[in-house]
Amino acid sequence: GQQLNQSPQSMFIQEGEDVSMNCTSSSIFNTWLWYKQDPGEGPVLLIALYKAGELTSNGRLTAQFGITRKDSFLNISASIPSDVGIYFCAGQLSGNQFYFGTGTSLTVIP
Amino acid sequence: NAGVTQTPKFQVLKTGQSMTLQCAQDMNHEYMSWYRQDPGMGLRLIHYSVGAGITDQGEVPNGYNVSRSTTEDFPLRLLSAAPSQTSVYFCASSRGGARETQYFGPGTRLLVL
Repeated sequence: GQQLNQSPQSMFIQEGEDVSMNCTSSSIFNTWLWYKQDPGEGPVLLIALYKAGELTSNGRLTAQFGITRKDSFLNISASIPSDVGIYFCAGQLSGNQFYFGTGTSLTVIP
Repeated sequence: NAGVTQTPKFQVLKTGQSMTLQCAQDMNHEYMSWYRQDPGMGLRLIHYSVGAGITDQGEVPNGYNVSRSTTEDFPLRLLSAAPSQTSVYFCASSRGGARETQYFGPGTRLLVL
């Protein structure tokens, strides 16, 4: 299967700090997606990116679709306690074939 | 709309037992998928369906069967459970197409002893 490498694996930050995480792949994807998963819940879509170089924001979240189409980045500005969770990147090749990264666990210390 | 619903929420099985994980969606989505989530592995696609009567294998299909007799339902069957199938299972649905969002259910936590 496709391998998506997500880093860092975990982060512990102070409330108010900015957060950056990224996802890289050996394959070229047509779409990059970023999800957040709260404990005991399914992933929820945060941002979707559809073309190389695209930069998209959703509130305090900003994500970019890498120029090579093999990577993507997610930034969270001015973190708050409710940002705690696991963040997943996902790449879509075509149709219903999505491949997920291994996740970044974010802890925000008040 | 209830969205994507999954039952049961938790299940404990003994090795060799069979069971069916239920998934239903009320959004009239054509695409439905099953994923398993294991620590450090992210979500991996087991099987998917692009419409009623059509199913296909994903990344890790061995040990699982699916069928799609209606648009709403997409059950996942474990014919003979193995400890390696201990995982959290998520069902997802979307309208299909490159720009359609996948909606995930709350998950089923399965322990195989």
